[in-house]
Amino acid sequence: GNSVTQMEGPVTLSEEAFLTINCTYTATGYPSLFWYVQYPGEGLQLLLKATKADDKGSNKGFEATYRKETTSFHLEKGSVQVSDSAVYFCALSERRGGSEKLVFGKGTKLTVNP
Amino acid sequence: GAVVSQHPSRVICKSGTSVKIECRSLDFQATTMFWYRQFPKQSLMLMATSNEGSKATYEQGVEKDKFLINHASLTLSTLTVTSAHPEDSSFYICSARDRAGGPWVVQYFGPGTRLTVT
Repeated sequence: GNSVTQMEGPVTLSEEAFLTINCTYTATGYPSLFWYVQYPGEGLQLLLKATKADDKGSNKGFEATYRKETTSFHLEKGSVQVSDSAVYFCALSERRGGSEKLVFGKGTKLTVNP
Repeated sequence: GAVVSQHPSRVICKSGTSVKIECRSLDFQATTMFWYRQFPKQSLMLMATSNEGSKATYEQGVEKDKFLINHASLTLSTLTVTSAHPEDSSFYICSARDRAGGPWVVQYFGPGTRLTVT
């Protein structure tokens, strides 16, 4: 079945450092790809998405490009802030039984220190 | 933005008892709600999909008689863990899909409920 693999955490960075969180996927067909973020004590929020190959999703300074040739959707940010501390989940959508469902990676915890 | 709430946020119950978890969409109508389970350091695993007014669709390996799901209105879905056992202890998360949503799968997630069965 479809699956998502993302880099193990936790990741600890200093403020203004460059962030990369790797995500690769296995899927039949052409899924849409997502990054969700979960801040402490809150539910998951959609951070960005890409729906076809070579699309770049971006939001709040974060970017990820849908790379079909490497089946990857790595999350990057040029300069992280303390407020970016959260758990980040990579996900893909798959269509089963007439409805679309999300398949998640395990999540990567990011801590940004001042 | 779209907000989904869950109640309770934490619950401790004794083995053999049942516990109900509520999931509400606060500012939108949700024809479809999803229930996930998350183990420590694991990804979210979809348990079931519920559509308003119809029976829930359970994922393979999820016991429908143990995890009862009711989606009685466009803003409320409930998950009842019946005859709970310690192995049911987990973090349960719901999400809701906006009835007015577009073609993309954008789910709005609740903050989760931590269930501990003693």
